[in-house]
Amino acid sequence: AQKITQTQPGMFVQEKEAVTLDCTYDTSDPSYGLFWYKQPSSGEMIFLIYQGSYDQQNATEGRYSLNFQKARKSANLVISASQLGDSAMYFCAMRGPNSGYALNFGKGTSLLVTP
Amino acid sequence: GAVVSQHPSRVICKSGTSVKIECRSLDFQATTMFWYRQFPKQSLMLMATSNEGSKATYEQGVEKDKFLINHASLTLSTLTVTSAHPEDSSFYICSAREWTGGDGYTFGSGTRLTVV
Repeated sequence: AQKITQTQPGMFVQEKEAVTLDCTYDTSDPSYGLFWYKQPSSGEMIFLIYQGSYDQQNATEGRYSLNFQKARKSANLVISASQLGDSAMYFCAMRGPNSGYALNFGKGTSLLVTP
Repeated sequence: GAVVSQHPSRVICKSGTSVKIECRSLDFQATTMFWYRQFPKQSLMLMATSNEGSKATYEQGVEKDKFLINHASLTLSTLTVTSAHPEDSSFYICSAREWTGGDGYTFGSGTRLTVV
């Protein structure tokens, strides 16, 4: 069975600073994908970044980067130069063949960016 | 980019009635649709997976007779909450996987269901 763990229920960061949101996972699938989504209060799920289990380099998308440490089974999200609009819930998710390719989500981290 | 249109965005219904939620993929063919439920301040929990033209696969603990899923075409999947009760009040959101099998998942905008 797959498991995603996000241990930070809430995080604060000051505007323009960088913040790291933690995510660890557990799976027996050799092939899997890791995703990060942002969910503002409106409820929509906004895709941020994807990392495949066989990708050699850490994924980056603008201000978002994924610190992928395969041996440690961690996939932390780094947001650089935080903006007030980054305040939202952030979910780490994993997809694997044994999950029927459904995304399995962690509990989420609530990020608040302060001026 | 790919868009999944989910309707309604909000619905209030009386206890005992049924509510239908639609998810349409507007510019791609969604062979697989995933339905999630999210209670306040909690994570998204997978309810069921539906593939076009076949019966949905429900997760353990999800009542298939209560949450009817139909995926009759490659562009439309529906979730019907039958005989709704207040405990069914939740945020329901669909997610489509493009038939090309890529890494892309496109989410609907969600439906906030309140049963009174």
